[in-house]
Amino acid sequence: NAGVTQTPKFRVLKTGQSMTLLCAQDMNHEYMYWYRQDPGMGLRLIHYSVGEGTTAKGEVPDGYNVSRLKKQNFLLGLESAAPSQTSVYFCASSYSIWQENMNTEAFFGQGTRLTVV
Amino acid sequence: GQSLEQPSEVTAVEGAIVQINCTYQTSGFYGLSWYQQHDGGAPTFLSYNALDGLEETGRFSSFLSRSDSYGYLLLQELQMKDSASYFCAVTGGYQKVTFGTGTKLQVIP
Repeated sequence: NAGVTQTPKFRVLKTGQSMTLLCAQDMNHEYMYWYRQDPGMGLRLIHYSVGEGTTAKGEVPDGYNVSRLKKQNFLLGLESAAPSQTSVYFCASSYSIWQENMNTEAFFGQGTRLTVV
Repeated sequence: GQSLEQPSEVTAVEGAIVQINCTYQTSGFYGLSWYQQHDGGAPTFLSYNALDGLEETGRFSSFLSRSDSYGYLLLQELQMKDSASYFCAVTGGYQKVTFGTGTKLQVIP
């Protein structure tokens, strides 16, 4: 059972380049999330999805777009990378609260370290 | 919106007990969770409280008071491997999960 898999694990981009981060989960979870983590800032929610075909903005959505075309995949896109987007990006997924004993445990991928120069 | 506050750093002695507090503000509330993250690693789930009271899982316990918008994580019999960052997280409306800024716990001999 792979859980949550993020690709790539590391990436260096030049300012203005675009890229897509892929998150895949094999637990049939309804909910998926993208976070960024910066020193001293904790985990900040970028976008999230409550089901296939749906997306919603989190705390820091500007400069990012997402898509959830298939239930198991959640893609995070950077159309024009900026140095301020240098960060560690984590994807997470969770059960619906109405399913697994009301527990909303989030399972995380191993992260993507992105540097924008 | 949702916001959480927790101390930035805590130091405790091996074998001792430490409590990490978390206060939150949220529109809609399903529960309060705690996660552990070692340097360079991914956050891993520790506990979840949907109702008031204490939940115990081995050396770790978590408490919630919904009326006070407050919770804490209690770590007993501290071990060196417990040195990590600990995050509280609120699950609010639409199952949106918001994390605090984290508490860095240092366990010293």
